[in-house]
Amino acid sequence: DIQMTQSPSSLSASVGDRVTITCRASQGISNYLAWYQQKPGKVPKLLIYAASTLQSGVPSRFSGSGSGTDFTLTISSLQPEDVATYYCQKYNSAPFTFGQGTKLEIK
Amino acid sequence: QVQLVESGGGVVQPGGSLRLSCAASGFSFSSSGMHWVRQAPGKGLEWVAFLPYDGSKKYYADSVKGRFTISRDNSKNTLYLQMNSLSTDDTAVYYCAKDCLRNWNYGSSFDYWGHGTLVTVSS
Repeated sequence: DIQMTQSPSSLSASVGDRVTITCRASQGISNYLAWYQQKPGKVPKLLIYAASTLQSGVPSRFSGSGSGTDFTLTISSLQPEDVATYYCQKYNSAPFTFGQGTKLEIK
Repeated sequence: QVQLVESGGGVVQPGGSLRLSCAASGFSFSSSGMHWVRQAPGKGLEWVAFLPYDGSKKYYADSVKGRFTISRDNSKNTLYLQMNSLSTDDTAVYYCAKDCLRNWNYGSSFDYWGHGTLVTVSS
């Protein structure tokens, strides 16, 4: 099965910073990659699908890129409400594996 | 609006069984693939099972294969997860989630999630 590895596992940044989270697949998955945000105590929320398509209602400071095995989630200007754990997920085929998560905090 | 409401969680002894339900509303349930995802306390998300809109095939994580069964009743707009031979490793919040694509058998990203139901396996 394809493994999904995120880096870093945790991240602390200042408000206004540009933040980048990386997700690597152990085999190519084309662009079948989604990003989710899970705020503390809340349900996961879809941010990006097809590697770079922003889900409706998601702020434009979030963006995604990549194809094949290497993917990136970028927050262009970090806001206090972005404190959350972020997960990537492959969906080219079952199993629909998630990355281990990246916990983002405000410095 | 789309609503997914899970129920059926609780405390069960190791080796026991439990059936979870997910009541769906606000969208065409019979046209939507559905997933179960779990999250152990303080841990990350783990995909558990997928059932396409037409029930043509069932997909499972290796960790639950042979013990869990996903099913659906389109007449009741309800998704189920029958869980047998439970172990302490199955302790988690179980979410049902809706597949993004309609009338699609192969799975996609998950655009709506329920609030989850807690399953605790303990003696």
